[in-house]
Amino acid sequence: DVKVTQSSRYLVKRTGEKVFLECVQDMDHENMFWYRQDPGLGLRLIYFSYDVKMKEKGDIPEGYSVSREKKERFSLILESTSTNQTSMYLCASSFWTGGPDTQYFGPGTRLTVL
Amino acid sequence: DQQVKQNSPSLSVQEGRISILNCDYTNSMFDYFLWYKKYPAEGPTFLISISSIKDKNEDGRFTVFLNKSAKHLSLHIVPSQPGDSAVYFCAASEMMINFGNEKLTFGTGTRLTIIP
Repeated sequence: DVKVTQSSRYLVKRTGEKVFLECVQDMDHENMFWYRQDPGLGLRLIYFSYDVKMKEKGDIPEGYSVSREKKERFSLILESTSTNQTSMYLCASSFWTGGPDTQYFGPGTRLTVL
Repeated sequence: DQQVKQNSPSLSVQEGRISILNCDYTNSMFDYFLWYKKYPAEGPTFLISISSIKDKNEDGRFTVFLNKSAKHLSLHIVPSQPGDSAVYFCAASEMMINFGNEKLTFGTGTRLTIIP
């Protein structure tokens, strides 16, 4: 069974604080993704990575950065949080098959920025 | 610019009847489509997929239909069960063999409620 874990289920931060969200997968997947989910907007891709130290911007990368130092870990960094970053953050991973493949998701982190 | 649209935010269906969830897309380069199901406080889980070389794919109670000319796909659940109550997302991608094409574009989701 594929397992994708996220470091926290719930986080509450104040505006301007730095936040690290960590994601770990145990299936040796090449691809890892960070999404945010907001009501009425669905899932929107923030960043993804297809290999260690590689990263690609998704649809909404502004205000975020990522780090992938090891194949199994993909971190999302919010350098200086703002209230509009209050959201559900979801990590996912998949094999590289030369095309789209099933993505496996973690349980999500509900971030509230006050 | 919403390239994948689910125009019904919610849907209620009687247990045992058919549930039909719809999804429209605008990007003609999309040729691979997936449906995900999400329960509260959990991540989405993969349900079923279809590539553009097919117009139908079936897996148990779940069938996905693809109408390429209309840029429309639908998910049919027959018979609907209370455990099917969840948010359903459709997603689309391109099949090109190239780094960067593994990403999915998701719709806004439809909350399905099955009434016992």
